[in-house]
Amino acid sequence: AQSVTQLDSQVPVFEEAPVELRCNYSSSVSVYLFWYVQYPNQGLQLLLKYLSGSTLVKGINGFEAEFNKSQTSFHLRKPSVHISDTAEYFCAVSRSNDYKLSFGAGTTVTVRA
Amino acid sequence: DAMVIQNPRYQVTQFGKPVTLSCSQTLNHNVMYWYQQKSSQAPKLLFHYYDKDFNNEADTPDNFQSRRPNTSFCFLDIRSPGLGDAAMYLCATSSPKGGIANYGYTFGSGTRLTVV
Repeated sequence: AQSVTQLDSQVPVFEEAPVELRCNYSSSVSVYLFWYVQYPNQGLQLLLKYLSGSTLVKGINGFEAEFNKSQTSFHLRKPSVHISDTAEYFCAVSRSNDYKLSFGAGTTVTVRA
Repeated sequence: DAMVIQNPRYQVTQFGKPVTLSCSQTLNHNVMYWYQQKSSQAPKLLFHYYDKDFNNEADTPDNFQSRRPNTSFCFLDIRSPGLGDAAMYLCATSSPKGGIANYGYTFGSGTRLTVV
């Protein structure tokens, strides 16, 4: 089975500052990796995903993530955050021979002016 | 737009009174999932359908059941809701048969269940 660890439960950040959300996974087989954002009382919106190919993945709203196989990481970054980026962020993984998505515990990002 | 639709957005039910949550999709995806998300927690997979095949997670309580009458619809039935079942319930779809290029999961907006 795979597992996902999000290393930071809460990340406060000032507006226009950069942010990095850390995600590590463990799996005995190759994986597909995802980052989702969730606003209060909303469903999950896909920010970006890594399936194969280039390890640097660009997503919506200026987010990007880098897949590092040797470090089993998939950290999410944004160079300059906005107040509207305040939300819960979930890293998720599914095995390449499976189709069930497992989530990390989530990181709460609070952007302050 | 093609999407995953959950109804209702908010559901209030009485303790012990059966309740059904619904999910429909226009994506023609062959896999449909139900996740439970309690406050400030990650979504937890309850079960999923791969086509018509039902797959229950080992730790899903017997109180939770599901039906998928056709490709487009999937229902979550809670036979006797307890206070601990109050949560956001998320429906999702995916299409492994569609190939890797478009692989992913699409989530509905969720149903917030309150048990009184």
